[in-house]
Amino acid sequence: DIQMTQSPSSVSASVGDRVTLTCRASQGIRYWLAWYQWKPGKAPKLLIYAASSLQSGVPSRFSGSGSGTDFTLTISSLQPEDSATYFCQQSDSFPYTFGQGTKVDI
Amino acid sequence: QVQLVESGGGVVQPGGSLRLSCAASGFTFSSHGMHWVRQAPGKGLEWVAFIRFDGTDKFYADSVKGRFTISRDNDKNTVDLQMNSLKPEDTAIYHCARVALGMALDPWGQGALVTVST
Repeated sequence: DIQMTQSPSSVSASVGDRVTLTCRASQGIRYWLAWYQWKPGKAPKLLIYAASSLQSGVPSRFSGSGSGTDFTLTISSLQPEDSATYFCQQSDSFPYTFGQGTKVDI
Repeated sequence: QVQLVESGGGVVQPGGSLRLSCAASGFTFSSHGMHWVRQAPGKGLEWVAFIRFDGTDKFYADSVKGRFTISRDNDKNTVDLQMNSLKPEDTAIYHCARVALGMALDPWGQGALVTVST
């Protein structure tokens, strides 16, 4: 199984800060990587698919990059509503696997 | 709008069975693969199962293989998860999700809570 490792596990930042989250796959997954935002009591929300494509309706301050084994999610200017946990997920092969999550505090 | 609504959650004893259902609307259900993903209390997301758009292929997490069965009815726009031999570690909120662009999961349903306890 492909293991997904996210870092850091948590980050605290201020409104307007640039925040970069990292996800590493235990083997190459090409660009089959998605990022999700999760808030307690809500369903996860897709932010980025195919490593760098912005999901429709998602603010442009979110961006993704990477391929192979190393990926990043960047929030260019952190907003109060971005307080959440962010998960990466590989869809290169079954079983699909998620990272353990990065909690972003404002 | 695209919507997924889960039902069938509840409390069950270890060794028991439960069947979850996910009702889809707002899109051509028969054209999309579907997933089940769960989140145990205080834990992260765990992918559970996938079914191809036409039901011909199914995949399962090792943790549920042989105990859970995913199925779909393209006439009723539903995808089900039959859960047998339930264990306390199966306690979680179970979400259904649609295969979207880039093989990502979108949208997700709000989830159904399954509690396995005596």
